[in-house]
Amino acid sequence: VQLVQSGAEVKNPGASVRLSCKASGYTFSSYAIHWVRQAPGQRPEWMGWINGGNGDTKSSQKFQARVSITKNTPATTAYMELSSLRSDDTAVYYCAREGPRGDDYFDLWGQGSLVTVSS
Amino acid sequence: DIQMTQSPSTLSASIGDRVTITCRASQSISTWLAWYQQKPGKAPKLLIYKASSLESGVPSRFSGSGSGTEFTLTISSLQPDDFATYYCQHYNSYPYTFGQGTKLEIK
Repeated sequence: VQLVQSGAEVKNPGASVRLSCKASGYTFSSYAIHWVRQAPGQRPEWMGWINGGNGDTKSSQKFQARVSITKNTPATTAYMELSSLRSDDTAVYYCAREGPRGDDYFDLWGQGSLVTVSS
Repeated sequence: DIQMTQSPSTLSASIGDRVTITCRASQSISTWLAWYQQKPGKAPKLLIYKASSLESGVPSRFSGSGSGTEFTLTISSLQPDDFATYYCQHYNSYPYTFGQGTKLEIK
C-alpha cells in the first residue's frame, strides 16, 4: 500500500506545475486523495481533495482560483496542477489518502514532490 | 478558518520522560482532530485520529485526549525514535488546518 509521487520540479514565476500521485495496493476508487503542501520550516497546509470514485473535488479558498485536482482511475493516479506560480509556492507537495471511514485525516502519504519557484 | 495553536513550540526532554503537547482550536471541533509525527525530510506519519484513537501500528506509549477546543498528545515514556516534530490537524470543516508544530528535542 503506497502513494508514489512525481519528481522535483523547478519553475519560473508565472508558470504552472502538474504533479502526479500513483496509488497502489488498495482500491483507488474507494478513497479520496488530498493534497497538502509544506513550505520550508512551516506547518503543513491543506490544499484540496478529489473523491477517488466520483471525481468530486473541493479546494481551499486560498488556492481555488489556481489549483486543479484531477484523476485517472485506470492509472490509479491523482494529479494536482497549480498555476500562476509565485516564489512563495516553493514547498514540498504531498498527496495523502483519507482515513478508511471517510474521515479527513491522512493515514497514508506520498514521499513528497519538491517544487522550487525561482527565476 | 479555524486556527490551531500548539504549545510548547519546542520541548526538551530525556529518554524515559513523560511528555504532553497541547493543541487548542479557535472554535469547537468536537473530536475531529489528528496528530502526526514528522522527521526531517519525511512525510508526516499519522499517530492519533478522532482525538484519541491510536492508529494501527503506532506504539501504545502514544495517547491522545480532549474534545471541543483543547486536546493533548501524551508520550508516556520517551524513546530515542520519538524525537521529531509533532503536528495537530483538525478536520471539522474546510479548510483543514494544522498547528504550527512542536519540536521535541533531546535534553
